[in-house]
Amino acid sequence: QVQLQQWGAGLLKPSETLSLTCAVYGGSFSDYFWSWIRQPPGKGLEWIGEITHSGNTNYNPSLKSRVTMSLDTSKNQFSLKLSSVTAADTALYYCARYLPSSNFYYGMDVWGQGTTVTVSS
Amino acid sequence: EIVLTQSPGTLSLSPGERATLSCRASQSVSSSYLAWYQQKPGQAPRLLIYGASSRATGIPDRFSGSGSGTDFTLTISRLEPEDFAVYYCQQYGSSPSVTFGGGSKVEIK
Repeated sequence: QVQLQQWGAGLLKPSETLSLTCAVYGGSFSDYFWSWIRQPPGKGLEWIGEITHSGNTNYNPSLKSRVTMSLDTSKNQFSLKLSSVTAADTALYYCARYLPSSNFYYGMDVWGQGTTVTVSS
Repeated sequence: EIVLTQSPGTLSLSPGERATLSCRASQSVSSSYLAWYQQKPGQAPRLLIYGASSRATGIPDRFSGSGSGTDFTLTISRLEPEDFAVYYCQQYGSSPSVTFGGGSKVEIK
């Protein structure tokens, strides 16, 4: 059974860099694309971006200037960095996977457990 | 940017009743790229429907999706106690690649 396990610093000060990692257990790493999604307290879901199995990235334009995603295929892990955080970046952050297809979207079928990140001085 | 507007914001129903949730897109969305998720408190979202109408693995057949163009619907034919949750629609493909609707909460009446 595929599992995504994520971790990273949960408390940051304004202007610091958020750093999260998601590890893939029990499934293929190279067949999927990998996304980060966040959810501010009491609010809906916001897509942050995605990284393909070959390392190509695609970011939400609203966050693009501050986001970097990377992957480590030797460890079956992928990571998110978000620079210059503010209180507005306080949220529950999720990693998730989806199966790429040229003409169909199969949805994000496996999600990490979520990591709460709080930005406060 | 494609904006997904979900309605109603909150739906108050009793177990056994039918729930109908709407997701309206600001521009036409290919049905191949429309998904629905369920989220319960303290849990990650769970994929219910992809391709507008295909149930994900393990999803009961009381959940069904339909629609095309700018109007999509998630229907729960008979609510079970575990179905009371927040539901999100999602589109993939138009920049930004992924957008979510604001969510619809199904609460116990």
